[in-house]
Amino acid sequence: GAVVSQHPSRVICKSGTSVKIECRSLDFQATTMFWYRQFPKKSLMLMATSNEGSKATYEQGVEKDKFLINHASLTLSTLTVTSAHPEDSSFYICSAWGGGAAGHEQYFGPGTRLTVT
Amino acid sequence: GDSVTQMEGPVTLSEEACLTINCTYTATGYPSLFWYVQYPGEGLQLLLKATKADDKGSNKGFEATYRKETTSFHLEKGSVQVSDSAVYFCALERQGGGNKLTFGTGTQLKVEL
Repeated sequence: GAVVSQHPSRVICKSGTSVKIECRSLDFQATTMFWYRQFPKKSLMLMATSNEGSKATYEQGVEKDKFLINHASLTLSTLTVTSAHPEDSSFYICSAWGGGAAGHEQYFGPGTRLTVT
Repeated sequence: GDSVTQMEGPVTLSEEACLTINCTYTATGYPSLFWYVQYPGEGLQLLLKATKADDKGSNKGFEATYRKETTSFHLEKGSVQVSDSAVYFCALERQGGGNKLTFGTGTQLKVEL
């Protein structure tokens, strides 16, 4: 099946700094990518939908100035957590929508564990 | 809004036991329904799906039937293996397009010899 990678897999940063997480579709082009956040023993919560070449669409309650999303190419979307605080510590997961030959489904990355100290 | 409710885990079974993981949903209309599986250290993978009432999705010995009367999509397998140990997520596709998913909390399955 199609492969989506995330980098880094784990990151620890100090409060007040910014962290960038990359999501790449390795063997297909994705016009749409999604960013999720997962708390312990909680479901994946959709944060935003990222469309290549346009602004991301954020879910209600998600601060767009806090979580900057860029989808500059058909294989790469980035999530930047700006001025991170301990409450931003979480597991962030991306997915890429694969249409056409990729099978019309979402393909998920393995996730990034962010810890803010 | 849309929501998905799954039974809490972890579920621990012996190999070759029967599995049922309950999933119910609340949604407007008749959304497509999915089961995803997450093996340790890996991303979620689509296990099966159903797009309309009474459809049965199946894959790798797992089955789930879209029941609109009970708004349910329970996951079943007749004989589990140790390799089925993973976290299973039920999800629905929101109405209105955009391929957006709403997930349940996930159920961890542990299969022991």
